[in-house]
Amino acid sequence: AQSVSQHNHHVILSEAASLELGCNYSYGGTVNLFWYVQYPGQHLQLLLKYFSGDPLVKGIKGFEAEFIKSKFSFNLRKPSVQWSDTAEYFCAVRGTGGGADGLTFGKGTHLIIQP
Amino acid sequence: GAVVSQHPSWVICKSGTSVKIECRSLDFQATTMFWYRQFPKQSLMLMATSNEGSKATYEQGVEKDKFLINHASLTLSTLTVTSAHPEDSSFYICSAKDRFSYEQYFGPGTRLTVT
Repeated sequence: AQSVSQHNHHVILSEAASLELGCNYSYGGTVNLFWYVQYPGQHLQLLLKYFSGDPLVKGIKGFEAEFIKSKFSFNLRKPSVQWSDTAEYFCAVRGTGGGADGLTFGKGTHLIIQP
Repeated sequence: GAVVSQHPSWVICKSGTSVKIECRSLDFQATTMFWYRQFPKQSLMLMATSNEGSKATYEQGVEKDKFLINHASLTLSTLTVTSAHPEDSSFYICSAKDRFSYEQYFGPGTRLTVT
């Protein structure tokens, strides 16, 4: 079975600070990796995803993530955060070995940006 | 962009009654829809995978007789919580996979409270 671990449950930053949210996964095969964001009162939105190719993936709103296969990691980064980035962030993984392709989510990181 | 709706957005019911939650893909066709459950301050847990015209596939530990899933068309899947109990109170979220792009889009969720 696959699992996802997000290291930080709560992160508080000031505007313009740099952000890195950790995500590690365990799975015995090839995976697809995702980062989702959930703004207060809204539904999940896809920030970025990795399927194959360049391990550095750029997403919306200035976010990027790097897949490091040897470390089973897919950390999310943003060089300069804004107050509007306050939200819940979820890392998710999906195995590509066939069968059902529902996502396995991490527990989420609650990010608060202080003005 | 692709939109997934859920109805109702919240519902309160008494123990022992059944509740039906609808998930609709509004501007695309979805051969596969997924149902997730999210407890407060926790991650999303995949409950089942719903395939149009066939039986749903349930994750380990999820009672298929309690959580009835029907996916009768390419735009609608329903989750019925039968004989609801207070421990079924949760946030239920669906996602729909576009049959052509394979992208998954999430609904806004349904808050179920069983009294």
